[in-house]
Order: sequence, then structure tokens, then C-alpha cells
Amino acid sequence: AQKITQTQPGMFVQEKEAVTLDCTYDTSDPSYGLFWYKQPSSGEMIFLIYQGSYDQQNATEGRYSLNFQKARKSANLVISASQLGDSAMYFCAMREAIYNQGGKLIFGQGTELSVKP
Amino acid sequence: KAGVTQTPRYLIKTRGQQVTLSCSPISGHRSVSWYQQTPGQGLQFLFEYFSETQRNKGNFPGRFSGRQFSNSRSEMNVSTLELGDSALYLCASSLLGFQMNTEAFFGQGTRLTVV
Repeated sequence: AQKITQTQPGMFVQEKEAVTLDCTYDTSDPSYGLFWYKQPSSGEMIFLIYQGSYDQQNATEGRYSLNFQKARKSANLVISASQLGDSAMYFCAMREAIYNQGGKLIFGQGTELSVKP
Repeated sequence: KAGVTQTPRYLIKTRGQQVTLSCSPISGHRSVSWYQQTPGQGLQFLFEYFSETQRNKGNFPGRFSGRQFSNSRSEMNVSTLELGDSALYLCASSLLGFQMNTEAFFGQGTRLTVV
């Protein structure tokens, strides 16, 4: 079964508008971390934001915020005031504590975001 | 502070050959993980090394192997290359690697093409 599901293969957003990228996850581990990464065409994965399963508040990092709904097992990324440089692939990822998973990240299939001027 | 460095950036190999990819983590980082990225399968975890020991391994055949040196630099090797091994291979480093909120810093990847 898919552990991380990103249902939007591609999305368009107008410059300066906000956009939400969806991510749902599946785990039986009570301790886990959720990450969002941005991958421009250059290939490098750039860390955006982290949310821990025990965190009470939604994470925010500048223009990025994570809408964490634990009961629904969703961790949507919200980008406010989109910029042309935000055009890239976005990946949701999870790290589980169970069985000493260490640094292993489980990735979703990604959402390609295109920002229109 | 230098980031994660992967070499080479691009590689073309013939079926049946073997290849070695290199990853130099951020200075002070002790954990190195490797991922394979393909259009069909997405990003898949290969293995993770911490202090020269393999801590975790993904679901890949034995043709895929790796190691980590005492300076934390890591190499991965793929023997008897197949066309399906064509992919972007990404290396990530983190300070410790086993803490839940530890951020993983990625390199720009090595794009391997098998012909």
C-alpha cells in the first residue's frame, strides 16, 4: 500500500496567489515525521518544512506552511504569494521511528507546480 | 559551508558494465543515504550508512551495494548494469540520521544512463 499519496500530478497557480499541495500518508507508527521537499529541474532536493507527529502546532517556514490534520492523516503544503521561482516538483516524505528506520525517507510521487506570470 | 557533493554529475554506461558513484556529505555529517529516482518508480530508498555501518537497506537486488569511509564519504556501486538502472541517483546527508526531525540535505545527483 502507498504510504505517501500525492493526488495532484500537476498544478498551475497564478503568480502572487496561494496554492495548496495535497499529501496523505499511511502509518501505524505513533512517532513519525513529515517533510516537504522542492526539486527544481537541476535535480537537487531542497528541504522546505518539517512536521512531527507530536507537534501541536502547524509548522511554518516563511512562505511555506504545513496544514497538518493528524486524524485525517494529511499534511498539505501551503505556499503563500507564489513566485515564478516556485515552479518545480514538490515531494511529500515521511520518516517513521518504528524498527529503527533511521534516516530512511518514504516519498510520494510528487506534484509538479507551475507558476504563471 | 559546502553542501553535499556527488560525482560524477552525468554518466553513460553500457549494459553489463559496473559503475561507482561518489558522495561527499556535509562536513560533520555522519549519515549518508542513497535514493534512486526514476519516472516510473519515483524516489526509492537504496540504503543508509552511519559511521561506516549500513543501518538500513531498501528493496533492491544485490547488484546494488555501497560503503562508507571513515571520513563519512560514501560510494555506491552497481554491477552488471541493466537498462532499468538508468536513473537519477541522489545522495543525502544528515548530522545523525536517526532523529525524527533531522533534516536530510541532498546533493544534485548523478544522472546515470545505461545504453
